[in-house]
Amino acid sequence: DIVMTQGALPNPVPSGESASITCQSSKSLLYSDGKTYLNWYLQRPGQSPQLLIYWMSTRASGVSDRFSGSGSGTDFTLKISRVEAEDVGVYYCQQFLEFPLTFGSGTKLEIK
Amino acid sequence: EVQLVESGGGLVQPGRSLKLSCVASGFTFNNYWMTWIRQAPGKGLEWVASITNTGGSTYYPDSVKGRFTISRDNAKSTLYLQMNSLRSEDTATYYCTRMGAAFDYWGQGVMVTVSS
Repeated sequence: DIVMTQGALPNPVPSGESASITCQSSKSLLYSDGKTYLNWYLQRPGQSPQLLIYWMSTRASGVSDRFSGSGSGTDFTLKISRVEAEDVGVYYCQQFLEFPLTFGSGTKLEIK
Repeated sequence: EVQLVESGGGLVQPGRSLKLSCVASGFTFNNYWMTWIRQAPGKGLEWVASITNTGGSTYYPDSVKGRFTISRDNAKSTLYLQMNSLRSEDTATYYCTRMGAAFDYWGQGVMVTVSS
């Protein structure tokens, strides 16, 4: 199984600052079609998760351009520019390369 | 507008069964794979089951294989999860999700509590 390992944030993050969340996979998520099958989700308090980023760096429909994804085959970063109160929640990375589909343990973002 | 509405959750004793449903609307249901994902109280997300758009193939993690069955009725735009031999560790909120390039739409979730 592919293990997804997420880093922690130095909470709380001051409003207006940037925050970067890291995620590492135990196997390269780069597929032969050139896509990297790494997704990012945000779960706000009391809500269902929502998709932010897919294929490592493509923003989902309606997602603010303050969110950006980058990385290599095994090391990934979600950057949140100018954090706002609405960004509070838990961020999950997830590999979409192969079954069993696996998630990271989540990274909590708090705002000061 | 895409909507996924789950139902069927509740309190059930260990060893018993429960069947969840998810009614989909706002998109062509039979064009998409679908997935159930769960979240134990205060914990992270766990993939539970996926099914192809035709229902011809299904996928499960070892934790539920042989106990859970995912199915769909494309005529009714409905996804199901039959859960048998339930255990306390199956206690969670279960989310119905659409599989596009990722899990691009999620339902509101339905709570399943396994306890005597």
